[in-house]
Amino acid sequence: GDSVTQMEGPVTLSEEACLTINCTYTATGYPSLFWYVQYPGEGLQLLLKATKADDKGSNKGFEATYRKETTSFHLEKGSVQVSDSAVYFCALSDTGGSYIPTFGRGTSLIVHP
Amino acid sequence: DAGVIQSPRHEVTEMGQEVTLRCKPISGHDYLFWYRQTMMRGLELLIYFNNNVPIDDSGMPEDRFSAKMPNASFSTLKIQPSEPRDSAVYFCASNRGNEQFFGPGTRLTVL
Repeated sequence: GDSVTQMEGPVTLSEEACLTINCTYTATGYPSLFWYVQYPGEGLQLLLKATKADDKGSNKGFEATYRKETTSFHLEKGSVQVSDSAVYFCALSDTGGSYIPTFGRGTSLIVHP
Repeated sequence: DAGVIQSPRHEVTEMGQEVTLRCKPISGHDYLFWYRQTMMRGLELLIYFNNNVPIDDSGMPEDRFSAKMPNASFSTLKIQPSEPRDSAVYFCASNRGNEQFFGPGTRLTVL
């Protein structure tokens, strides 16, 4: 079945440092890929998405590129802020009509001033 | 739109009591999901509905858990009887296509 593997956290960075959170996936079809973010005390919310190979999703300074050859969708940001501290979830959704997502286990990001 | 609405936001109950969690999905969304989140097990899918019909409840941990969706704008997750190991944050989510919209969650504590 489909699966998503994320790097384990927590990831601890100083403000203005560069961020990369690795995500790889296994899927039988051609899934859409997502990054969701969960701030403390809140539900998950969509951060960005990509629907086909080589697409780049971007939002709030974050970006991720759909790499079919390496089955990866790594999340990157050039300069993190304290307000980026949250848990980040990589996910995929089969495009075959079943909108059932598969989530990774989440990666906690802590940004210090 | 108000987003996905869940109630209550916090629930504290004693072991053995019945607990009912409520969810109002976003209007027009035809999929509804219930998840449970704990530190130990992460985010777990419990059950999901399509057009008010339960499609897959294989994630429901035990017969103590049940979920209903009597109409397109309301769903409940019931635990009877509750146990301390049910303590978790329970999320409801609804879909527009393959993008999920999560509610704020219900933090359940069973003493």
